[in-house]
Amino acid sequence: KQEVTQIPAALSVPEGENLVLNCSFTDSAIYNLQWFRQDPGKGLTSLLLIQSSQREQTSGRLNASLDKSSGRSTLYIAASQPGDSATYLCAVRRTDKLIFGTGTRLQVFP
Amino acid sequence: NAGVTQTPKFQVLKTGQSMTLQCAQDMNHEYMSWYRQDPGMGLRLIHYSVGAGITDQGEVPNGYNVSRSTTEDFPLRLLSAAPSQTSVYFCASREGTGTALSGYTFGSGTRLTVV
Repeated sequence: KQEVTQIPAALSVPEGENLVLNCSFTDSAIYNLQWFRQDPGKGLTSLLLIQSSQREQTSGRLNASLDKSSGRSTLYIAASQPGDSATYLCAVRRTDKLIFGTGTRLQVFP
Repeated sequence: NAGVTQTPKFQVLKTGQSMTLQCAQDMNHEYMSWYRQDPGMGLRLIHYSVGAGITDQGEVPNGYNVSRSTTEDFPLRLLSAAPSQTSVYFCASREGTGTALSGYTFGSGTRLTVV
């Protein structure tokens, strides 16, 4: 059974720091991995999608990497801002199911 | 672009009542699914559909019913609400099936409380 773990569960950093969120999964036979952002009381917003054949994807200040063989992905956020405060979720897709981690709650303070 | 639309946004039910959570998408996505999100449990798959007329169970299907008569709509029915079904429900859709490589689009959620 696929299990997805995110570490740390919570993170509080000052504005301007570069930070790394971690995601690990137990079964490397995935189609792709997707990172989402969730603001309190809101839905999920897709940030980055990495196919199983790719090593990384970039969008603005965000960079996600994937090492499928070791079952790991990282989300790198450069020059963090208070507006980045949210919960970040990673999810792996295998066949027709998307399996989620429990998220990292990020707070960026001014 | 509307994307994935869920209604209602909030609902309070009494134990034993039934209701339908609505989900509609305007992206012509073949795949649609329902998740529930609970504190400490993350998002768990309830039911999913790979196309009109086809549905299947996810991780936590008990107490829920679905049907898919059109590509656009995928309603979730609670047959007899229980307090354990208090949760936030999300609908998601995706282009294609099988090894298609698209990502998921989520609705804004329905917050359900069963008293």
